[in-house]
Amino acid sequence: AQSVTQLGSHVSVSEGALVLLRCNYSSSVPPYLFWYVQYPNQGLQLLLKYTSAATLVKGINGFEAEFKKSETSFHLTKPSAHMSDAAEYFCAVTRSGGSNYKLTFGKGTLLTVNP
Amino acid sequence: EAGVTQSPTHLIKTRGQQATLRCSPISGHTSVYWYQQALGLGLQFLLWYDEGEERNRGNFPPRFSGRQFPNYSSELNVNALELEDSALYLCASSFSGTATIYNEQFFGPGTRLTVL
Repeated sequence: AQSVTQLGSHVSVSEGALVLLRCNYSSSVPPYLFWYVQYPNQGLQLLLKYTSAATLVKGINGFEAEFKKSETSFHLTKPSAHMSDAAEYFCAVTRSGGSNYKLTFGKGTLLTVNP
Repeated sequence: EAGVTQSPTHLIKTRGQQATLRCSPISGHTSVYWYQQALGLGLQFLLWYDEGEERNRGNFPPRFSGRQFPNYSSELNVNALELEDSALYLCASSFSGTATIYNEQFFGPGTRLTVL
């Protein structure tokens, strides 16, 4: 079974500051990992994904994440926050290698960007 | 290219009634996934359909059911509604979910179900 834990249900940063959203995973098989963003009253948009290629993954809107197997982590970062980054962010995991790709999500982290 | 569409946007029902939610996948996608986003419970996997068959089911009671039509659109039915069924229901679609490689799931905007 797979699971993800997002540390911090709410993160607040100043505009221009580093964004760091934490995600740790648990999986009995090599995982595929994802970060999604959800703006108010909208569905989910994929930011980036790790599917066993490069461990440093670059996504949209300047976000990136690094897969660290030794730490079972997949933290999301952005060097400089913009006001438009304010949203809820979800880390998700699914199993690799086979025919059951349901996504298991973390509880989400609400990012607030202060001017 | 049109994205995943869901209808209705909002749905208000009373306890004990039935709700029907609809999802149209992206053209060419054969897999449809349903997720529930309830306050305090986060996003939870509900159902997965591929090629008209139910492939996997989350930890939900049998009153949550659905189907997939020949055109790959899908319906989620919730019978005997309870207050705690109030949630945002998200549908996602992908190319075949039975492939050995992962095919990205694209999400619709959701249906907000309110049970009074």
